[in-house]
Amino acid sequence: QVQLRESGPGLVKSSQNLSLTCAVSGVSVSSVAHFWSWIRQPPGKGLEWIGYIYYSGGTFYNPSLKSRVTISADTSKNQISLKLSSVTAADTAVYYCVSPYCTGNSCYPYWGQGTLVTISS
Amino acid sequence: AIQLTQSPSSLSASVGDRVTITCRASQGISSALAWYQQKPGKPPKLLIYDASNLDSGVPSRFSGSGSETEFTLTISSLHPEDFATYYCQQFNTYPLFTFGPGTKVDIK
Repeated sequence: QVQLRESGPGLVKSSQNLSLTCAVSGVSVSSVAHFWSWIRQPPGKGLEWIGYIYYSGGTFYNPSLKSRVTISADTSKNQISLKLSSVTAADTAVYYCVSPYCTGNSCYPYWGQGTLVTISS
Repeated sequence: AIQLTQSPSSLSASVGDRVTITCRASQGISSALAWYQQKPGKPPKLLIYDASNLDSGVPSRFSGSGSETEFTLTISSLHPEDFATYYCQQFNTYPLFTFGPGTKVDIK
């Protein structure tokens, strides 16, 4: 069974960089058909797709965040990382590690429990 | 990029009511749509994937239907624990798996 667990600092100062890790169990991050993704949800708001890394190492980022986002994979630790630079209060959110498993016309999304990151001034 | 809209944005209903939420896509997405339920302080819970497949453990009062541009989530008889916000998400158009804005279901 695929399990995802996010970790990282709960408080980051404005203008600094946010770094989060997603520990993956039950499947290798090198597995084909998994899109290793990050999603966030500001308090009281909807869900925003940040980006993903594919098994081949290819990445895609939401254009609205592209200039500040890096998603990477560490196959030796079987984990995914998110780095978001130059954060502001608008980056305060619950950050989720999500992995849609897509084969053919079918996609099944696996979700972590999320981690709250607060940006302080 | 594909846009998803949900209607209504909110609704008030009573226990036992039949509730239907609609998700519309700006272009055809086949059956690549999921529905989630989210309660305050909790992560989204997967209810339906591939438009109509009930996830394991989800009560049978939940059902999903539709294809291409119009999809519905139906709760056949609302239970007290069903008051929550519901989101749709499309998986058809890589790489941006967009979400709908959500529909809040509260108690009348």
